[in-house]
Amino acid sequence: SQQGEEDPQALSIQEGENATMNCSYKTSINNLQWYRQNSGRGLVHLILIRSNEREKHSGRLRVTLDTSKKSSSLLITASRAADTASYFCATGGSQGNLIFGKGTKLSVKP
Amino acid sequence: DSGVTQTPKHLITATGQRVTLRCSPRSGDLSVYWYQQSLDQGLQFLIQYYNGEERAKGNILERFSAQQFPDLHSELNLSSLELGDSALYFCASSVDASGELFFGEGSRLTVL
Repeated sequence: SQQGEEDPQALSIQEGENATMNCSYKTSINNLQWYRQNSGRGLVHLILIRSNEREKHSGRLRVTLDTSKKSSSLLITASRAADTASYFCATGGSQGNLIFGKGTKLSVKP
Repeated sequence: DSGVTQTPKHLITATGQRVTLRCSPRSGDLSVYWYQQSLDQGLQFLIQYYNGEERAKGNILERFSAQQFPDLHSELNLSSLELGDSALYFCASSVDASGELFFGEGSRLTVL
């Protein structure tokens, strides 16, 4: 079963614009992770935010976490065509394994 | 390059057949995970091994089995294949159970 659900399912923006993706989850977490997947390739870890953190930055990425609302958001600033990919949030399952949402497909047009 | 190696990259087989997918984790990683990714089901967790022992089990069919060997490489065996088993199968590894996962490039299975 899915733990995290991303929203929107698809997002299309112009280069230079910001992209925001949201993730909602169901149960309490120790941490939440965001991954990126280029079409047909393996997933790549972007950022991990712990349950006691509210915001975290990495380059052009900004992740927020609201444990009271069980939600997280990923912001990509000044997007580039190379940011075109699917983005997944992931949280720990009941057995400690990582459960992924269905992802947001981001398309950045040059 | 994540350091996780999966073979084969592509595999085409017929219904009813059996295949084995292989994964070599990153050097030093004790945990290995298998995921199945299909268009309609997203990324589904199948099974996790830690240092040779099964740690967690997800939506893995009885026709599927896996194991992790003493050298820490892992194999996923898929038998009595059906059309619906066509998917990308990913292996990932990590140092521990709660941190960052490193994914291989996947094995694309097509069942005809």
